[in-house]
Amino acid sequence: AQSVAQPEDQVNVAEGNPLTVKCTYSVSGNPYLFWYVQYPNRGLQFLLKYITGDNLVKGSYGFEAEFNKSQTSFHLKKPSALVSDSALYFCAVRDMSGGGSYIPTFGRGTSLIVHP
Amino acid sequence: NAGVTQTPKFRVLKTGQSMTLLCAQDMNHEYMYWYRQDPGMGLRLIHYSVGEGTTAKGEVPDGYNVSRLKKQNFLLGLESAAPSQTSVYFCASSIRNEQFFGPGTRLTVL
Repeated sequence: AQSVAQPEDQVNVAEGNPLTVKCTYSVSGNPYLFWYVQYPNRGLQFLLKYITGDNLVKGSYGFEAEFNKSQTSFHLKKPSALVSDSALYFCAVRDMSGGGSYIPTFGRGTSLIVHP
Repeated sequence: NAGVTQTPKFRVLKTGQSMTLLCAQDMNHEYMYWYRQDPGMGLRLIHYSVGEGTTAKGEVPDGYNVSRLKKQNFLLGLESAAPSQTSVYFCASSIRNEQFFGPGTRLTVL
């Protein structure tokens, strides 16, 4: 079974400050991990993914995420937040040992609010 | 390249009415999905398809049916709508990993 948890419903940060949106996962095998962003009244957009290799993954709009196998975490980060980063962020996981099934499991989402 | 499109964008139904939501993708993706998004619940998978002519149940399939007669289209049907089906519905498609999402359909059942 695979699952993902986003422990914070909302994250508030001041513009220019670094931001972190947390995600932890549980899988039987090795994970594929994803972050998506949803702006108001829009569909989800892919931000970045971890498949294998370097634990620090860089994605769109200056975001990056760090894979930590021992802590089963995949936190989303950005060095300097922008007001335009305010959105809903979803973490997703897929078990590599899914037997050919490419069905990810999504977290409940974290609302990021960046204050001017 | 339109990506993933959904029709309609908004709909209001009365309890017991039926309707079909259409999802179309022009990326030749094998996998297609239907999700519903409700406040505090995140995305929940309703049904999915791994290829033309195949469908499978997701996390919350009750009250919905789907069909994938053509590779590019994935239809979601509500045979007898209920107020509990008031939600925002998203379609997505993928090859293997990252998913591409449509803009959503906001459905209200009165």
